[in-house]
Amino acid sequence: GENVEQHPSTLSVQEGDSAVIKCTYSDSASNYFPWYKQELGKRPQLIIDIRSNVGEKKDQRIAVTLNKTAKHFSLHITETQPEDSAVYFCALSGGSYIPTFGRGTSLIVHP
Amino acid sequence: DAGVTQSPTHLIKTRGQQVTLRCSPKSGHDTVSWYQQALGQGPQFIFQYYEEEERQRGNFPDRFSGHQFPNYSSELNVNALLLGDSALYLCASSLGGSSTDTQYFGPGTRLTVL
Repeated sequence: GENVEQHPSTLSVQEGDSAVIKCTYSDSASNYFPWYKQELGKRPQLIIDIRSNVGEKKDQRIAVTLNKTAKHFSLHITETQPEDSAVYFCALSGGSYIPTFGRGTSLIVHP
Repeated sequence: DAGVTQSPTHLIKTRGQQVTLRCSPKSGHDTVSWYQQALGQGPQFIFQYYEEEERQRGNFPDRFSGHQFPNYSSELNVNALLLGDSALYLCASSLGGSSTDTQYFGPGTRLTVL
């Protein structure tokens, strides 16, 4: 199956700073790349996704970039707020591959 | 518009027992996927049901089985429970039967095996 590596495992920023989380993968058949936010004790919530025919997608303070040649995609959060504190998961799927999640990044935004 | 629901919310079982977890998809969705999320890990794909058939399966033993009903709701069954089966079990619903469809997660069932 497909593997996805997610870095960093923990990210600590000051309120107002930007945060970037990166995921790398190995198989070029992957063509759907969602990002999920999971607060403690809650369900994963889709925050943004990108498909392989698009290089970048933005939604207010959140953006995702995809580099299919280098096989990596990243989540960018600008002007971070304390309520952005959560665990973020990247995921991918496509072709015959099952959905695969990264191990998560714990984002801590200090007021 | 109801979101994805799961029952029960919590469950405690002992080793060797069997358990059944239930999921109702978001209104209008026809596909249900099940995931296992161990503490501190990302969700791991168990299987996906579409048109009452298992479409894809992750690396889980045959002790894990499922079913989808004509109303698109689904059950996950785990036999011969092991301590390592303790986890949060999530179901996610989508429309279309593809692994690249947008998925929406339910609140999960927390299973503890003693």
